[in-house]
Amino acid sequence: NAGVTQTPKFRVLKTGQSMTLLCAQDMNHEYMYWYRQDPGMGLRLIHYSVGEGTTAKGEVPDGYNVSRLKKQNFLLGLESAAPSQTSVYFCASAEIDRGLKETQYFGPGTRLLVL
Amino acid sequence: AQKVTQAQTEISVVEKEDVTLDCVYETRDTTYYLFWYKQPPSGELVFLIRRNSFDEQNEISGRYSWNFQKSTSSFNFTITASQVVDSAVYFCALSGDNTDKLIFGTGTRLQVFP
Repeated sequence: NAGVTQTPKFRVLKTGQSMTLLCAQDMNHEYMYWYRQDPGMGLRLIHYSVGEGTTAKGEVPDGYNVSRLKKQNFLLGLESAAPSQTSVYFCASAEIDRGLKETQYFGPGTRLLVL
Repeated sequence: AQKVTQAQTEISVVEKEDVTLDCVYETRDTTYYLFWYKQPPSGELVFLIRRNSFDEQNEISGRYSWNFQKSTSSFNFTITASQVVDSAVYFCALSGDNTDKLIFGTGTRLQVFP
């Protein structure tokens, strides 16, 4: 049981390049999230998904796209990377049990540097 | 609107001191959930505790304790007899019952010196 895993762990991009971050969870959770963490700002929600085939915008969605084709995977895409997207990206997953909100469990993070 | 405020940006203590990390929240939801996460220097986010708004009992887990007070909208975290391994950034977070989102505070960096 690996929990939540993220690929890659670290990446350097040039401005304008594209890339996809992969998040995978083996806990059969319905909910998945992508956050970014910047110094002094805590974690901010980019996009999330409440189930396979669904996605929704979070607090800072601009410049990112997501897909949830399989329940266990949640992909975060940057179509044209910008230096402002230099950050640490965290994925999380959670279960919702009979309306009672469950805890979000986080992956180890992906460090992205955009030059 | 929902908001979490961690006014203490950084706290430094000497080992064995007790330390309290403050968390103040705002929400209009009548049912909500509060969380504390720890982020050690290695970078991962470790879940510490979850508290439901309808359960105001304080909780103790070893050297860790949490004081939930709805009257002051606070959910403070105390570490008793701190240790060097407690050095980390600690985040308080809030999730309302009418939202799927988790709102984080900006975190408190705790440094425990030997």
